[in-house]
Amino acid sequence: KNQVEQSPQSLIILEGKNCTLQCNYTVSPFSNLRWYKQDTGRGPVSLTIMTFSENTKSNGRYTATLDADTKQSSLHITASQLSDSASYICVVSASAGGYQKVTFGTGTKLQVIP
Amino acid sequence: DTGVSQDPRHKITKRGQNVTFRCDPISEHNRLYWYRQTLGQGPEFLTYFQNEAQLEKSRLLSDRFSAERPKGSFSTLEIQRTEQGDSAMYLCASSFRDRGPQSTDTQYFGPGTRLTVL
Repeated sequence: KNQVEQSPQSLIILEGKNCTLQCNYTVSPFSNLRWYKQDTGRGPVSLTIMTFSENTKSNGRYTATLDADTKQSSLHITASQLSDSASYICVVSASAGGYQKVTFGTGTKLQVIP
Repeated sequence: DTGVSQDPRHKITKRGQNVTFRCDPISEHNRLYWYRQTLGQGPEFLTYFQNEAQLEKSRLLSDRFSAERPKGSFSTLEIQRTEQGDSAMYLCASSFRDRGPQSTDTQYFGPGTRLTVL
C-alpha cells in the first residue's frame, strides 16, 4: 500500500530560525515528489518538485532534498518568517499505466512566532 | 489566467439537500482532479478527468457523488442527499500532462469549497 508519512506533526519555531520537515514514503513505482504549502482554509500551493534523478531543489528560502534509496525527503526552511506559518504537505506520485497515482501525506503544521 | 477557481467558496446546507460545486481549471490544462480534505488531514483523492473522460474514481466517491467535465474544461461535483460526514473542504486541481518522459504533471490547486452540512 502506498503511504506517505510526515514528521513532526506540528512544529513551533521563532521567527528567523531554520527548521527541517521530514517525509518518508513507500510509493512504487516512484515518479516524483512534491512539497506543497497550504495556508489555513486555502488550497495547497506547489513549492518544489523532484524526480528520481534529482536530490535537491531550491525555491527561495525553501530547499527540498530527496534520497530515493532510503525513500526519504526533507524540506528545509531558512530564516523563517511569520508568513511561513502553514501546513506543509509532502505528495508522492507513482506511475501507473500512463497516469499518476498521487498519495498525500497528512502534513506538518508549522507555526512561526515573533 | 489567474489559476484554478472554485465556486462557491463556502456552502452551508441542511442534511438531505443536494449541492453542486464548480471548478474552472487553468485553461490549457487537460487534467482535472477532485479531492476532499477534512480538518488536520491531507487531501484525499476522489476522482480525476483527462479532458472530458473520467478515468478514475476513488472508493470514497459513493453513489451520492457524481462529477462531470462535459466539454473538457470546467467540472462540477454534485453531492446528493448530503450527510453530516460530507462536511469538508472540496479541492479541485488541474495539470497538464504531455507524452514527454520529463512531464511531471504538477497539480495546481484551487482555493477549495468548504461544505458544512448541518
